[in-house]
Amino acid sequence: AQSVTQLGSHVSVSEGALVLLRCNYSSSVPPYLFWYVQYPNQGLQLLLKYTTGATLVKGINGFEAEFKKSETSFHLTKPSAHMSDAAEYFCAVSDLPSSASKIIFGSGTRLSIRP
Amino acid sequence: DAGVIQSPRHEVTEMGQEVTLRCKPISGHNSLFWYRQTMMRGLELLIYFNNNVPIDDSGMPEDRFSAKMPNASFSTLKIQPSEPRDSAVYFCASTPGGGVRSGANVLTFGAGSRLTVL
Repeated sequence: AQSVTQLGSHVSVSEGALVLLRCNYSSSVPPYLFWYVQYPNQGLQLLLKYTTGATLVKGINGFEAEFKKSETSFHLTKPSAHMSDAAEYFCAVSDLPSSASKIIFGSGTRLSIRP
Repeated sequence: DAGVIQSPRHEVTEMGQEVTLRCKPISGHNSLFWYRQTMMRGLELLIYFNNNVPIDDSGMPEDRFSAKMPNASFSTLKIQPSEPRDSAVYFCASTPGGGVRSGANVLTFGAGSRLTVL
């Protein structure tokens, strides 16, 4: 069975600083990995996804994530934080490429940006 | 497309009452998921359907919860009787068909239904 662990329920960085949100996964098969963002009182939106191929994945709003199989990690980064990045971020894993796949989320990391 | 539509957006009810949450997925999407979000437990998968058939309901907390998908454009999540610990935001999400390159397992979420059971 798949699972996702997000280290740090709350991360605070200064505006302009590097953002690093950590995600480790467990999967018995090659995983499909995702990062979603949730703004207050809204549903989740896809930031980026890893399927196959290139291990460095670029998403929206300047975010990117790198799939590292040896470390079972899929950490999310952004070189320079902006105030609008304040939100909750969720890592997710799927074991199949199809629409019938079960998709499991981590517990989320709340990102705060200090002026 | 209007996206995934959930209703009601907010529901306040008393313990013991029946609650029905509704979801209309994106037209053409093959799978539909129900998630529950709370501060304590995060985002939990309750049940998901593929082509209107329930695939995995192992996340449904107990017999008080039931979900149906009578057709490709409508699903309900029912709680009967409701309890205060059911208070949460319930999200519906859908995924399209096709292979991974077409984003088959990419979820599109509704805005959620916030349930408060007094």
